[in-house]
Amino acid sequence: NAGVMQNPRHLVRRRGQEARLRCSPMKGHSHVYWYRQLPEEGLKFMVYLQKENIIDESGMPKERFSAEFPKEGPSILRIQQVVRGDSAAYFCASSPPVGGGSTDTQYFGPGTRLTVL
Amino acid sequence: GNSVTQMEGPVTLSEEAFLTINCTYTATGYPSLFWYVQYPGEGLQLLLKATKADDKGSNKGFEATYRKETTSFHLEKGSVQVSDSAVYFCALSPHPNSHTGANSKLTFGKGITLSVRP
Repeated sequence: NAGVMQNPRHLVRRRGQEARLRCSPMKGHSHVYWYRQLPEEGLKFMVYLQKENIIDESGMPKERFSAEFPKEGPSILRIQQVVRGDSAAYFCASSPPVGGGSTDTQYFGPGTRLTVL
Repeated sequence: GNSVTQMEGPVTLSEEAFLTINCTYTATGYPSLFWYVQYPGEGLQLLLKATKADDKGSNKGFEATYRKETTSFHLEKGSVQVSDSAVYFCALSPHPNSHTGANSKLTFGKGITLSVRP
């Protein structure tokens, strides 16, 4: 069973460009979470999605950031008009649906390291 | 709101030394508690967890006990190895949502870097 997959692993963008980060959850998982890790800091929650629904986006910046988890395909975290302060590691995690296992446990992908020049 | 506090780091130990990494939390209700480990250049891996008071999580020689009276979840290992060098994060997740049955966001501590010398 493949784990959580994220791509790209490394992404370099210039200021003002768009960054698109992809996350494919573990097989059978229907809950996806995005976290951001700034240098020398812990992970901060950004958004929690289920298929086609945003459940909790309390950690998302109000502007330039958006997330989706369509019925088909991976979850996407999009950052428009990137700035240097967006440079960070972005981690995706997934957990199973109700009745599908330990719903309190999140499994993490390897992360995407975004560098904004 | 929920919060997790970890001891300041970094920590450097010699191989076979005893390890304790402190973690305390603030939360409403009865959260689940976790330790995650991050090896250099990699994502987080679940190390162990505990879901209710007095539960002990254990894995790979690491242990942590859910202490509700002291709101703590300290990580211990009796004899560390060089391969244990990594960043360790304590985290909590609130009680499952009554509608979805799933927990929401994890709240993490800042993490602590452990370096083990041969």
